[in-house]
Amino acid sequence: KNQVEQSPQSLIILEGKNCTLQCNYTVSPFSNLRWYKQDTGRGPVSLTIMTFSENTKSNGRYTATLDADTKQSSLHITASQLSDSASYICVVSAENSGYALNFGKGTSLLVTP
Amino acid sequence: DGGITQSPKYLFRKEGQNVTLSCEQNLNHDAMYWYRQDPGQGLRLIYYSQIVNDFQKGDIAEGYSVSREKKESFPLTVTSAQKNPTAFYLCASSIGGANTGELFFGEGSRLTVL
Repeated sequence: KNQVEQSPQSLIILEGKNCTLQCNYTVSPFSNLRWYKQDTGRGPVSLTIMTFSENTKSNGRYTATLDADTKQSSLHITASQLSDSASYICVVSAENSGYALNFGKGTSLLVTP
Repeated sequence: DGGITQSPKYLFRKEGQNVTLSCEQNLNHDAMYWYRQDPGQGLRLIYYSQIVNDFQKGDIAEGYSVSREKKESFPLTVTSAQKNPTAFYLCASSIGGANTGELFFGEGSRLTVL
């Protein structure tokens, strides 16, 4: 069964600090992995999308890594800001899966002053 | 600006009533989707449509219905048959299939059953 597990479930950090969110998956055969940011009460917004051949991709202060061998991904946030407070969702798709995506439950991040 | 517009943002419904959530996109995307989001759970696919006048059931289609009469519009009706309709509903679109193309989401509609 294709699954996506995210950890931690929630995280609190001080403004200016760095943090790393984890995503482990069992989706096979792997097609791509995406990270989304979802502010409370709003729709998710894409941060990065990585295919099998990519192991790092950055979007400003957000850097995603992918290890397709161990089926793990991480999202590193540098110099956090209050506006980074949100839920971060990992989404993995399988080849030839049509319109099916596998969503993680998300990590809720709170950045405090 | 191009994007996806969902309305209403908040909706209250009495038990036994049908309600329709609107989703309009001006991105010229062929594919559109409806997802349901519950606290502590990942997004679940309700229905999707690849082209006009065609749509397919997702993982949790029971109690829901959709139509795709125009490329830009993909409304979702939550019927009285849906036993637990209180949730956050997200509409999305993509150029190609969701598994390869980037997914763009609307701002969501929160439905509460009183």
